[in-house]
Amino acid sequence: AQSVSQHNHHVILSEAASLELGCNYSYGGTVNLFWYVQYPGQHLQLLLKYFSGDPLVKGIKGFEAEFIKSKFSFNLRKPSVQWSDTAEYFCAVNDFNNAGNMLTFGGGTRLMVKP
Amino acid sequence: DTGVSQDPRHKITKRGQNVTFRCDPISEHNRLYWYRQTLGQGPEFLTYFQNEAQLEKSRLLSDRFSAERPKGSFSTLEIQRTEQGDSAMYLCASRPPRGVGETQYFGPGTRLLVL
Repeated sequence: AQSVSQHNHHVILSEAASLELGCNYSYGGTVNLFWYVQYPGQHLQLLLKYFSGDPLVKGIKGFEAEFIKSKFSFNLRKPSVQWSDTAEYFCAVNDFNNAGNMLTFGGGTRLMVKP
Repeated sequence: DTGVSQDPRHKITKRGQNVTFRCDPISEHNRLYWYRQTLGQGPEFLTYFQNEAQLEKSRLLSDRFSAERPKGSFSTLEIQRTEQGDSAMYLCASRPPRGVGETQYFGPGTRLLVL
């Protein structure tokens, strides 16, 4: 079965610091990769996604992620975080082993940005 | 608002009672998913519908859980004889037809507390 690991459970940064959140998945075949964000009191929203093509994908609010197939990784980055980036971030993988292509999520990383 | 909606947003019940949650997907999204999210964890897949057909069920979905999507539009998730371990956030997501889009859009969730 597919599994997704997010290595950082809690991250605390000051504004303007750079961010990198790790994500590794286990499935070796074709995958679609996603980062979702959940702001306090809000529902899960798509931040960015990778389906194919350029392994460096850009999302909303200045976020980007790089797909490295050889490392089974899809790390999320942002050069300079803002207080409004305080949220929980989830990496997810589309499971092609099942017809429904359901998502397998990592455990999440809770980011707190200090003003 | 044309996003995924869920009702109720919160539910408190006593152990042993039955509860039912509703999900209204984005119109024209023929694929619908239910996930469960417990505190500190990422969402876990429960079940998947394509139109009115339930095509995938997770092993997490015990016999006490049943889901329906009778007309291929809204869906309901019923939990019978609730247990304290059922306390969680229940998330619904919808997705366009295959070939149109591969992103799942999430609703705000129903938070269930079983006393």
